[in-house]
Amino acid sequence: DSGVTQTPKHLITATGQRVTLRCSPRSGDLSVYWYQQSLDQGLQFLIQYYNGEERAKGNILERFSAQQFPDLHSELNLSSLELGDSALYFCASSEGGSGNTIYFGEGSWLTVV
Amino acid sequence: GQQLNQSPQSMFIQEGEDVSMNCTSSSIFNTWLWYKQDPGEGPVLLIALYKAGELTSNGRLTAQFGITRKDSFLNISASIPSDVGIYFCAGPVTSGTYKYIFGTGTRLKVLA
Repeated sequence: DSGVTQTPKHLITATGQRVTLRCSPRSGDLSVYWYQQSLDQGLQFLIQYYNGEERAKGNILERFSAQQFPDLHSELNLSSLELGDSALYFCASSEGGSGNTIYFGEGSWLTVV
Repeated sequence: GQQLNQSPQSMFIQEGEDVSMNCTSSSIFNTWLWYKQDPGEGPVLLIALYKAGELTSNGRLTAQFGITRKDSFLNISASIPSDVGIYFCAGPVTSGTYKYIFGTGTRLKVLA
């Protein structure tokens, strides 16, 4: 158990809909990262937050947005969903902003039908 | 942009054999992380390396931080069936942002 908690574990939704994925980082970790992993693909970095502020942005679509709340949990919002958005979405956390080890949650499996 | 290339992409080995895989970067990294991912699960950290030349072991796993800081190696000794999975290397981009990028992965299959 990495200490990073993600909900929901599985989600099936229709195209055009909007979903929110939730992440609670490890106790004491200030950074939260979101990654997308499509079937048999590597991990694509989406976005990072550090202590409530956006720190780094990757290949995140405009239809996607995220935020980190004062209690340090984070949410990833995916809107106008398309079939190609079906993937595993991982949250990870680290103590600091860079150079630290990052720990992953078990992922949220999103299926868009 | 920066990329991490892992090789081999996949490998089939016999139980009991040693395994070697590597990861190379187009630029210098200050940290190398190695993860293992089982199907449908999140990546689990195996070894973290923080210094060039560092050699670190975790049970049957040994990883090295290359002295050029552009590569890293992971060795698994005496492989067992539960070593099956995808192994990823990762490192932090240090050009003003703090994102971690991941290699393409090495898919390991162990034949009993």
